[in-house]
Amino acid sequence: GESVGLHLPTLSVQEGDNSIINCAYSNSASDYFIWYKQESGKGPQFIIDIRSNMDKRQGQRVTVLLNKTVKHLSLQIAATQPGDSAVYFCAELLRIQFYFGTGTSLTVIP
Amino acid sequence: DTGVSQDPRHKITKRGQNVTFRCDPISEHNRLYWYRQTLGQGPEFLTYFQNEAQLEKSRLLSDRFSAERPKGSFSTLEIQRTEQGDSAMYLCASTRAASYEQYFGPGTRLTVT
Repeated sequence: GESVGLHLPTLSVQEGDNSIINCAYSNSASDYFIWYKQESGKGPQFIIDIRSNMDKRQGQRVTVLLNKTVKHLSLQIAATQPGDSAVYFCAELLRIQFYFGTGTSLTVIP
Repeated sequence: DTGVSQDPRHKITKRGQNVTFRCDPISEHNRLYWYRQTLGQGPEFLTYFQNEAQLEKSRLLSDRFSAERPKGSFSTLEIQRTEQGDSAMYLCASTRAASYEQYFGPGTRLTVT
């Protein structure tokens, strides 16, 4: 299978600070990437996506950066809030299958 | 609530029993995916339907697993002769045609004792 990995399994940030979650992917043919947020007991929730022909995409308080040279993806969350505490997954699309990473658990300290 | 529902939310069964899960996608979504997720891991792809056609199956889907989407609406995932290694969260997701923005259901948590 394909390999999508996250550099840090856990991340703790102070409320109001910015968070950066990183992800490495292995297949240069992947052309679409998604970040998901998963809260305890719930299914993953779409946050933001990016196509391989883009380097950056911004949403509300979130930015995704794609570096195809080193096959690296990051999610930046501005002004992190307690409600952002969750597990975050990146996923890459190869052909019609999505391959998910292990996940990073983000804890926001009030 | 994403609009994708799954039933049951929890299932406890004894090893060797058969179980069936149901997924109701968002009504206008013609693509439906099944995933399995174990603790601390990301979802793993199991199978994919476009309308009623099952277009892709993962090698994870052994011959004990079968999925159907008979009318292109709801889908069922059946596991026969369950094993303890089948214990996991089973997630369903749906998308519109020409979109990969998946909407996930809450999942069915299976425990095989």
